[in-house]
Amino acid sequence: ILNVEQSPQSLHVQEGDSTNFTCSFPSSNFYALHWYRWETAKSPEALFVMTLNGDEKKKGRISATLNTKEGYSYLYIKGSQPEDSATYLCAFMGGGGNKLTFGTGTQLKVEL
Amino acid sequence: DTGVSQDPRHKITKRGQNVTFRCDPISEHNRLYWYRQTLGQGPEFLTYFQNEAQLEKSRLLSDRFSAERPKGSFSTLEIQRTEQGDSAMYLCASSSPSGVNTGELFFGEGSRLTVL
Repeated sequence: ILNVEQSPQSLHVQEGDSTNFTCSFPSSNFYALHWYRWETAKSPEALFVMTLNGDEKKKGRISATLNTKEGYSYLYIKGSQPEDSATYLCAFMGGGGNKLTFGTGTQLKVEL
Repeated sequence: DTGVSQDPRHKITKRGQNVTFRCDPISEHNRLYWYRQTLGQGPEFLTYFQNEAQLEKSRLLSDRFSAERPKGSFSTLEIQRTEQGDSAMYLCASSSPSGVNTGELFFGEGSRLTVL
């Protein structure tokens, strides 16, 4: 059974704060690491798909890094806004690239 | 194409009844996945199809669960003799042939099942 862990489980920040979350995953048999954002009453949407050790990806105020050798990825949000409030899921894809194993998510709430 | 659609969005049923969920993926996507999400957990893999072939099914899935994708387009997930523990959000996702190497999933909004 693959173990994909995320921390913290939940986070409350003030508007304008920067924040980061951690995802840890197996360091062997790595294929890809995904980040998804899941807003309430909507469908999960992909933020990043990362495949190479040392990858850094950025989309607006959100960025992510990847360390496949030690099995972790960080997601950063700079200058949090209320619309960033959502559950952020990471998902690991092992060799063969067939399915994703998700972590339990980090629930972010950004308050005014 | 507007994305992955799922039906019904909500289903309340009594224990012991059968329920069926439908998923219509993005039309050119050949892979289709079913996941289940319960409170406080991340989505849990149930099964996936490549075209009409069911290639993998989770060992956690009891034989009360069955999924089909008869023509490689839409898929159905049936739960027979529902139990209260089946209460969850059932998510469908699809991925494109060009995304098969990275596996980016496009999700529907889910079907929420409540078993009384």
